[in-house]
Amino acid sequence: KNEVEQSPQNLTAQEGEFITINCSYSVGISALHWLQQHPGGGIVSLFMLSSGKKKHGRLIATINIQEKHSSLHITASHPRDSAVYICAVSPGSARQLTFGSGTQLTVLP
Amino acid sequence: KAGVTQTPRYLIKTRGQQVTLSCSPISGHRSVSWYQQTPGQGLQFLFEYFSETQRNKGNFPGRFSGRQFSNSRSEMNVSTLELGDSALYLCASSPNRDSLYFGAGTRLSVL
Repeated sequence: KNEVEQSPQNLTAQEGEFITINCSYSVGISALHWLQQHPGGGIVSLFMLSSGKKKHGRLIATINIQEKHSSLHITASHPRDSAVYICAVSPGSARQLTFGSGTQLTVLP
Repeated sequence: KAGVTQTPRYLIKTRGQQVTLSCSPISGHRSVSWYQQTPGQGLQFLFEYFSETQRNKGNFPGRFSGRQFSNSRSEMNVSTLELGDSALYLCASSPNRDSLYFGAGTRLSVL
């Protein structure tokens, strides 16, 4: 069993829909990251969470440490949100990350 | 401020050769970390450096090595290349514990 599980693996939505991507992990962590990767490979760090909830624009990330679960929400989705979203956890050092396999999101106009 | 710069962007090598990849962090960032991304294994942690010291190393063979210089620039080296080393190698720099900035990556093909 992978230490970090993401669901769904693939997600297709219509523009404007509310999107949720889930991440479950099995190890104790000091932090959880949500990353966005566009075609071509570039990765952008969206959030780093150790507790609670963070919001940036149309993106919201939550974490429940007791349940070892995090969610990434996108409100009013747009075709430019199409990308792979990756959950990663830090069991110790903030940069020694264990990654999920990613969720491919496609938002159709 | 310039972002994280990785050179070269693309590289083709043959089995048995060695390769050196370079990463220049954002000015002022003292932490540099490296990651490998392959279709089969996904993203995996390689190394983490802070102020010229290796803090952590991932589960990779000794053929993978790295270093960080006094100006925070970092290099990673892979010796005796294997076909399975073909991957996107990503570098990230951090100013603190809460932020991570990735470079565009070096795509290595081993023939």
